[in-house]
Amino acid sequence: GAGVSQSPSNKVTEKGKDVELRCDPISGHTALYWYRQRLGQGLEFLIYFQGNSAPDKSGLPSDRFSAERTGESVSTLTIQRTQQEDSAVYLCASTQPMGSDTQYFGPGTRLTVL
Amino acid sequence: EDQVTQSPEALRLQEGESSSLNCSYTVSGLRGLFWYRQDPGKGPEFLFTLYSAGEEKEKERLKATLTKKESFLHITAPKPEDSATYLCAVRVQGSGGSNYKLTFGKGTLLTVNP
Repeated sequence: GAGVSQSPSNKVTEKGKDVELRCDPISGHTALYWYRQRLGQGLEFLIYFQGNSAPDKSGLPSDRFSAERTGESVSTLTIQRTQQEDSAVYLCASTQPMGSDTQYFGPGTRLTVL
Repeated sequence: EDQVTQSPEALRLQEGESSSLNCSYTVSGLRGLFWYRQDPGKGPEFLFTLYSAGEEKEKERLKATLTKKESFLHITAPKPEDSATYLCAVRVQGSGGSNYKLTFGKGTLLTVNP
């Protein structure tokens, strides 16, 4: 079946603007994760959803970052008042329900803040 | 704090020249060590999961091993198409069942020349 998809693939925005990044997980995957990959750095965990509930938001860098998920489907990561340090690749991953711990990643959204 | 360190940062091999990548970790309560491959402009692609010291897994020219302190990804007779960044990640026991997120190393960039 189809893998995790993300849109847009690339986003260039001006400092101070808001952006929305979208993730479509693999059908049937109940858990969804957002990570950030900055140049030369390892992937950083941002937020985890189980269904449409987010039990752990501790990885969100600031209150400018928020995320929501509709049921066990699409998730949106919103960054308000973007800053240059927000420039990174934002990756989404999902896992099967009930005991599987393999996270399958989407292709990412490359965000550039000018 | 959980730490994952990968070495070397970059490795250049000739086609057919076998070698190993290292992932050392300092965590409390390992619940799985993951290897991913990442091609430029793409999301990480799952390779292996290892759970306990002494465990080994193989896939084509790749073999992953695990000890109590580190994991190795052995590449036998590599081909140019094996060129990619190889990422190591750990899943650890967390409080309140928070053992879902992955902590990543910075990766090893492997280049295999023909």
